[in-house]
Amino acid sequence: DTAVSQTPKYLVTQMGNDKSIKCEQNLGHDTMYWYKQDSKKFLKIMFSYNNKELIINETVPNRFSPKSPDKAHLNLHINSLELGDSAVYFCASSQAHGETQYFGPGTRLLVL
Amino acid sequence: KQEVTQIPAALSVPEGENLVLNCSFTDSAIYNLQWFRQDPGKGLTSLLLIQSSQREQTSGRLNASLDKSSGRSTLYIAASQPGDSATYLCAVYDSGYALNFGKGTSLLVTP
Repeated sequence: DTAVSQTPKYLVTQMGNDKSIKCEQNLGHDTMYWYKQDSKKFLKIMFSYNNKELIINETVPNRFSPKSPDKAHLNLHINSLELGDSAVYFCASSQAHGETQYFGPGTRLLVL
Repeated sequence: KQEVTQIPAALSVPEGENLVLNCSFTDSAIYNLQWFRQDPGKGLTSLLLIQSSQREQTSGRLNASLDKSSGRSTLYIAASQPGDSATYLCAVYDSGYALNFGKGTSLLVTP
């Protein structure tokens, strides 16, 4: 019974392609997040959604577009992939902002 | 902008030792603070969350303290075991509704 799941786990693609990463949580949480962990293992917030509404949009290129079809899902679509997009992307959820966050296993993206 | 620093960056101890991991943050106006562990190639596992009004939180062999006024938190691990080997991350929830992470302390517990 995975609480926060992500697909795919690994993604290898060419520069210029468009790709999507899916995230689902079965915890009944209202808030979901996307984080990026770079090659130096530093984690940084990208987006935060609460009840399907965008709350936080950090300085992320507009090639990245999150979409929340319902409270249990927050997908990340990336257009025109660049080498610098190679990283591990983590989805997380919490009952509300300020509550304990639960992370998915990560999606390892490699752009060639 | 909130900055979170963790010291040391890496630590190696023999099994059975008690140890302390340190976390400091620049803006004391935090909502709460969360400690995570990350195993190689895996996601983050939440260990403890301390509300800004609390001074400490305990879970098993783990004890986390928070001193907002000095901008510090410590994670105390008692009687360390090889299974505790992982990277420990401190993250501060600020009023911007986001977790700000430190770069982590990589812990190795040797048998």
